[in-house]
Amino acid sequence: DADVTQTPRNRITKTGKRIMLECSQTKGHDRMYWYRQDPGLGLRLIYYSFDVKDINKGEISDGYSVSRQAQAKFSLSLESAIPNQTALYFCATGGGGTNEQFFGPGTRLTVL
Amino acid sequence: RKEVEQDPGPFNVPEGATVAFNCTYSNSASQSFFWYRQDCRKEPKLLMSVYSSGNEDGRFTAQLNRASQYISLLIRDSKLSDSATYLCVVPREWGDYKLSFGAGTTVTVRA
Repeated sequence: DADVTQTPRNRITKTGKRIMLECSQTKGHDRMYWYRQDPGLGLRLIYYSFDVKDINKGEISDGYSVSRQAQAKFSLSLESAIPNQTALYFCATGGGGTNEQFFGPGTRLTVL
Repeated sequence: RKEVEQDPGPFNVPEGATVAFNCTYSNSASQSFFWYRQDCRKEPKLLMSVYSSGNEDGRFTAQLNRASQYISLLIRDSKLSDSATYLCVVPREWGDYKLSFGAGTTVTVRA
C-alpha cells in the first residue's frame, strides 16, 4: 500500500461548489503539506501543519481551508470553487530532522 | 528574483547521450538541496539529495557551486526511462521544513 494516499484522484466540479480533498499517510510523519501545481510553475504551498494542533498558511491560502483531523489525516477544502483553482493538488509529508518530503499521487481538480 | 530558477528545456537527447542542466537559487544560506523527478502529471519523487559539494548515484551526478549559487544535474548514458521533468528543490529557511520548488526541466530521451 502507498505511504501517502489522496482521494479523490480526479474531480470535476462546478463554480461555487464546496470541495474536499483528503490525504492520509502511514509514514508516521508529523508534518503534512498541501501544494498545487500549475503548468510552467513550481509547486506552491497552500497550507502546512507540523502537528495536529498546528495549522499554517502557505503562500497561496486564499480560497482554501484545511483540517488536521489526526496525525495521519490532513484535508483541504475549497469553500466555493472557482475556475482558477483548476490544478493538480499534491499532499506531502515530512518527518524527523530532514527536509525531504514524500508526496501523494495527486488530485486532478477541474472547476468548470 | 525567483527563489529557484530552472531552464525549462526541453532537452531532447538520444539514448546513451549525456545531458546536464542547472538550477539557480537565491538564498545564499541554503545548506541542502534536492533533485526530484516527476513523470508526466504524477507525484514528484526524490532522486538525489545534495548536502556538500555534490553527490553521485549511478549515472546521476549533482554538483553544487555555492559561490555562484547553482546546482547542476548530469545524467550519463541516458535511458528512455530517464524521460521526465526534474525539479530542483531548495529549503527556504534552516529549520522551517518548507521547500521552494523550481518549475522543472523537461528531459526527453529518444531511441
